[in-house]
Amino acid sequence: EPEVTQTPSHQVTQMGQEVILRCVPISNHLYFYWYRQILGQKVEFLVSFYNNEISEKSEIFDDQFSVERPDGSNFTLKIRSTKLEDSAMYFCASTSSIPSLHFGNGTRLTVT
Amino acid sequence: AQSVTQPDIHITVSEGASLELRCNYSYGATPYLFWYVQSPGQGLQLLLKYFSGDTLVQGIKGFEAEFKRSQSSFNLRKPSVHWSDAAEYFCAVGASGGGADGLTFGKGTHLIIQP
Repeated sequence: EPEVTQTPSHQVTQMGQEVILRCVPISNHLYFYWYRQILGQKVEFLVSFYNNEISEKSEIFDDQFSVERPDGSNFTLKIRSTKLEDSAMYFCASTSSIPSLHFGNGTRLTVT
Repeated sequence: AQSVTQPDIHITVSEGASLELRCNYSYGATPYLFWYVQSPGQGLQLLLKYFSGDTLVQGIKGFEAEFKRSQSSFNLRKPSVHWSDAAEYFCAVGASGGGADGLTFGKGTHLIIQP
């Protein structure tokens, strides 16, 4: 069964550094998402992306965040200048039929 | 806007016993409802979903859930739990109008299995 894949599984970075989290959605999917889960808390919506542009974004998704689909297969989340509170598990998801999402295994981001 | 409440933060069940995890949602129309499971350090795996039709839905790993409109609930059940069921369980609601923000999750219920 096709899967959403995320790399790396764990990323450690220093405060103020830029990070890029990478995702390869399922190949025939058209809608792409990033969610975040701070340790011990619920999974929160960050942003959705369709037709090469952002469809929706939450209050969390401020100017420090950006998303890109640089080619036909990758979907990236960039955090420009990381803060301690950005430490979380970041999940990528994709779907061909909203809202039935397929999630990746996540990237655990640790900001020190 | 939709919301999900999972009233139980932790639940402890003996292996072989039955399980029910509670989920209540708030949404103006008929929602799309989901249960996901997250094992430690792992991603979110879809257990089952409800879109329409039969209100009792079967999922993977022997789980089922029942949609009760009158109670705005979508409780997850399993007749006999196994030690491998120990995990975090998330209920989620999606807008039936196809809102682009995808899913709204509850805070999760941590399931502990006693031997």
